[in-house]
Amino acid sequence: DAGVIQSPRHEVTEMGQEVTLRCKPISGHNSLFWYRQTMMRGLELLIYFNNNVPIDDSGMPEDRFSAKMPNASFSTLKIQPSEPRDSAVYFCASRVTLSSPLHFGNGTRLTVT
Amino acid sequence: DAKTTQPTSMDCAEGRAANLPCNHSTISGNEYVYWYRQIHSQGPQYIIHGLKNNETNEMASLIITEDRKSSTLILPHATLRDTAVYYCIALKSFGTGTRLTIIP
Repeated sequence: DAGVIQSPRHEVTEMGQEVTLRCKPISGHNSLFWYRQTMMRGLELLIYFNNNVPIDDSGMPEDRFSAKMPNASFSTLKIQPSEPRDSAVYFCASRVTLSSPLHFGNGTRLTVT
Repeated sequence: DAKTTQPTSMDCAEGRAANLPCNHSTISGNEYVYWYRQIHSQGPQYIIHGLKNNETNEMASLIITEDRKSSTLILPHATLRDTAVYYCIALKSFGTGTRLTIIP
């Protein structure tokens, strides 16, 4: 079991650039979640998918953020254009069903200068 | 999912039992209580979960009150490596958690 795999581990980019974060959930897990963590706000749920379908995106801060899950083994979170306030650690998590424990990846630390 | 409330921080002496409380008074009848912990900036790590009955695994014990409005996570013999932020959640929304510091 390789766990949830996120890439890249670190991303440094300039304001205005497009950023794409990637996540591979654990095989067999049907639900996928994107979280953002900052010192000020803690862990915020951005969006989650069930069976590749977005269920709740009310946590996505604004239209600059978008997430896709084209198949059961891959998801992306895109920020376009990026801003310094987007700097945070972004976590991806998956679970077998909506009522089973979450398994987190190691996160992507994003710095926007 | 239900909102949870936890103390901001706690200390515990090494080797003693650490008891971390959580209030979840609005939890619904079919919502599980989950506990996670986060060490440094790693991803949160699952510890234990339960619905009505008390639960125990190799990491911890979970005591849920009969009315299900609160629960307590018990680390029976805390070590320095248990220093972390502990989160109690109902489904998917995390609060600010409890920063547990184990004191030598």
